[in-house]
Amino acid sequence: DAGVIQSPRHEVTEMGQEVTLRCKPISGHNSLFWYRQTMMRGLELLIYFNNNVPIDDSGMPEDRFSAKMPNASFSTLKIQPSEPRDSAVYFCASSHSDRGTGELFFGEGSRLTVL
Amino acid sequence: GESVGLHLPTLSVQEGDNSIINCAYSNSASDYFIWYKQESGKGPQFIIDIRSNMDKRQGQRVTVLLNKTVKHLSLQIAATQPGDSAVYFCAEGYTGTASKLTFGTGTRLQVTL
Repeated sequence: DAGVIQSPRHEVTEMGQEVTLRCKPISGHNSLFWYRQTMMRGLELLIYFNNNVPIDDSGMPEDRFSAKMPNASFSTLKIQPSEPRDSAVYFCASSHSDRGTGELFFGEGSRLTVL
Repeated sequence: GESVGLHLPTLSVQEGDNSIINCAYSNSASDYFIWYKQESGKGPQFIIDIRSNMDKRQGQRVTVLLNKTVKHLSLQIAATQPGDSAVYFCAEGYTGTASKLTFGTGTRLQVTL
């Protein structure tokens, strides 16, 4: 079975550029999460969706960050404009919220470097 | 880039020995706890979970112990193998769902031959 698929795996961009990260969750999962991982702050939840609806975006750092989930099989995380402090690994994860488990299935991450 | 980073505690264990990884959680209201394993260059992978109405749960080669009195969680890995080398995270949450999980800072397990 295909797991959570993220793209790109690596992105290097210059400060001020727009960055779009993409995620395809596991088919049948109805919850999708975006996490950011840095050495300074560890794993932080940015936003999560349930049935394509954003439920909690309190972890989104600021207005430069936005996330969408237009359908059950696709989500994007956009940073505009990007800044060097946004450099991190961004993980997408999915789960089935009705199964009473906190098992998250993570993608392999998108490593972002902003110069 | 960052000039100061988290210094991950590291546990070095010889192959075949048992490993015990500890975690202190912060919120006494948390009722659900999970251990994840993250190998280099990959996303975290679920290992085992436990609810607050239990103090022990066993899986394949792994056991999680929960002490709510002192807000402490541990992961025991039996007969540690080289493939167990990774960073291990505990996470706390509510109601047995994946929403609003708070991850710990992680412990690096190094398995020596």
